[in-house]
Amino acid sequence: KQEVTQIPAALSVPEGENLVLNCSFTDSAIYNLQWFRQDPGKGLTSLLLIQSSQREQTSGRLNASLDKSSGRSTLYIAASQPGDSATYLCAGAMFSGGYNKLIFGAGTRLAVHP
Amino acid sequence: DAGVTQSPTHLIKTRGQQVTLRCSPKSGHDTVSWYQQALGQGPQFIFQYYEEEERQRGNFPDRFSGHQFPNYSSELNVNALLLGDSALYLCASSFSGSPDTQYFGPGTRLTVL
Repeated sequence: KQEVTQIPAALSVPEGENLVLNCSFTDSAIYNLQWFRQDPGKGLTSLLLIQSSQREQTSGRLNASLDKSSGRSTLYIAASQPGDSATYLCAGAMFSGGYNKLIFGAGTRLAVHP
Repeated sequence: DAGVTQSPTHLIKTRGQQVTLRCSPKSGHDTVSWYQQALGQGPQFIFQYYEEEERQRGNFPDRFSGHQFPNYSSELNVNALLLGDSALYLCASSFSGSPDTQYFGPGTRLTVL
């Protein structure tokens, strides 16, 4: 069974803290890993995409790493701000029947308070 | 570029009814995927359309069906609605030449009473 697990399910931190969100996957057929942000009741915004040939990707205060051998990815958020409050989802891409699809984790709900 | 658009934003139906949700892909995209996101869960893949055909499907019953039009827009139809069909339905579009880059729409919130 294809599974993507995210830990922790929820996180509440004061502004300014550095954070690590974890994602693990069981299927070695996952060939890239993507992190999304979702605001309440809204669609998904792609943050970072890491191909299996890459180890990490960076965008501003965000850094994501991928270790395919251990089936793990982490999203690092530096100097968190209240505007970072959202749900963060990781998704693994895999081929099925010759075409790709995304397998999502349940997300980590992040609250950053002033 | 308007990005991926979905309509309607919200919808309330009763059990047993049928519903149609619509998605317009981002300009230049030819592939549309649909996902169901229950409250507190991650999105689950329903199916994907390319060249007006369903080319792969997730673990959803036949009550869920879809269509893609020549202009690449797509519809998701759900028949015989159940309470458990209440969810946020997300549409994602991509270009077949770059399938790893998917853009998501804002979603349609379906409530089944």
